[in-house]
Amino acid sequence: QLQLQESGPGLVKTSETLSLMCTVSGGSISSASYYWTWIRQTPGKGLEWIGTIHQSGKTYYNPSLTSRVIISVDTSKNQFSLQLTSVTAADRAVYYCARGILTDIFWGQGTLITVSS
Amino acid sequence: QLVLTQSPSASASLGASVKLTCTLTTGHSSYSIAWHQQQPEKGPRFLMKLNPDGSHKKGDGIPDRFSGSSSGAERYLTISSLQSDDEADYYCQTWGTGILVFGTGTKVTVL
Repeated sequence: QLQLQESGPGLVKTSETLSLMCTVSGGSISSASYYWTWIRQTPGKGLEWIGTIHQSGKTYYNPSLTSRVIISVDTSKNQFSLQLTSVTAADRAVYYCARGILTDIFWGQGTLITVSS
Repeated sequence: QLVLTQSPSASASLGASVKLTCTLTTGHSSYSIAWHQQQPEKGPRFLMKLNPDGSHKKGDGIPDRFSGSSSGAERYLTISSLQSDDEADYYCQTWGTGILVFGTGTKVTVL
């Protein structure tokens, strides 16, 4: 059964770079023409799309975050990653990885990232 | 600009039905959407992909009580025979020209 698991530091300091990894198990990240997505949710608020990478390597980013985001895939490790630079308190959120963009979307369980000064 | 509009809240009695609406902005009425459920203190779960003609494909294990329909720019999610664990936030979401958009979510309360 497909599983997606986010991993990251839990705590990051203001102005530093947040790096998160999503490990895919139960399926190959390169086996089909899938999209792989990062989404976040500020506590008590709605869902915000961060960005998406296609299996081909093409990336799509939220225009409001594009200057600070890099998403990449490591097929050898069956993982995809998120880098968010120059973090501020506003980046405190639960970060989710997911497979898909409209059909058969599969979510990870999420990881809480806190930002400290 | 692609925007999805949802009412902030809805409620219905245990065992009754509730119909949620997600409205696409003008010019985007041909878009398919996805519905997601987020129960309290949990991550979101994909419910279904819903097409403009009302056809829909549900995720694995999603009960028949959940159904989708469409009319023009509106996309609906109907939950029948409401159960207590249907109390959750429901988000619609779409993908268009390289941008993924979420609605603001509807909080469903089971009375």
